[in-house]
Amino acid sequence: AQKVTQAQTEISVVEKEDVTLDCVYETRDTTYYLFWYKQPPSGELVFLIRRNSFDEQNEISGRYSWNFQKSTSSFNFTITASQVVDSAVYFCALSPPNAGKSTFGDGTTLTVKP
Amino acid sequence: DAGVTQSPTHLIKTRGQQVTLRCSPISGHKSVSWYQQVLGQGPQFIFQYYEKEERGRGNFPDRFSARQFPNYSSELNVNALLLGDSALYLCASSWDRGPEAFFGQGTRLTVV
Repeated sequence: AQKVTQAQTEISVVEKEDVTLDCVYETRDTTYYLFWYKQPPSGELVFLIRRNSFDEQNEISGRYSWNFQKSTSSFNFTITASQVVDSAVYFCALSPPNAGKSTFGDGTTLTVKP
Repeated sequence: DAGVTQSPTHLIKTRGQQVTLRCSPISGHKSVSWYQQVLGQGPQFIFQYYEKEERGRGNFPDRFSARQFPNYSSELNVNALLLGDSALYLCASSWDRGPEAFFGQGTRLTVV
């Protein structure tokens, strides 16, 4: 069985602070994919990143960066110099390689105050 | 190119009724998955269809069914609606059987 845990239910920061969202996963698969999505109040899940289990290289995209550590089964997401527009619910998800059946965490609600 | 589109965006139904939700995948995508997202929780997998065949089913009762058409669009049907079926229903598409990355805006279903 697959499981994704996002232990932080809610995080509140002041604009320009850095913030890290934690994601820990469990799977027996040796090959799998990990995702991060952003869900604004409108409801649509906005794709941020997909990482496969063989690629442990960290990635940076603008103010966003992701740290994948297979040894600790973690895939953490950092926003540098947060902005009010970053306020949303963020989901981490895990998927087997040959099926579109992702397992999602319960999300972390990020509030960035001006 | 248009993204994943879902209709309707909002729906109110009465307990016991039936509902059909629709999804059009991104052009060229052959796989469609459906998810249910109850308020305060992450999305839960319901179905995946690839090339018009069911490729996966989550832990949902038989009241939930789906199908995929030759143009790869899909419908999700829920019979005998319960109050607990109130949720945001999300559709996702990908070009192969692999994990999807692109979601529609969802259909918000309210059962009263």
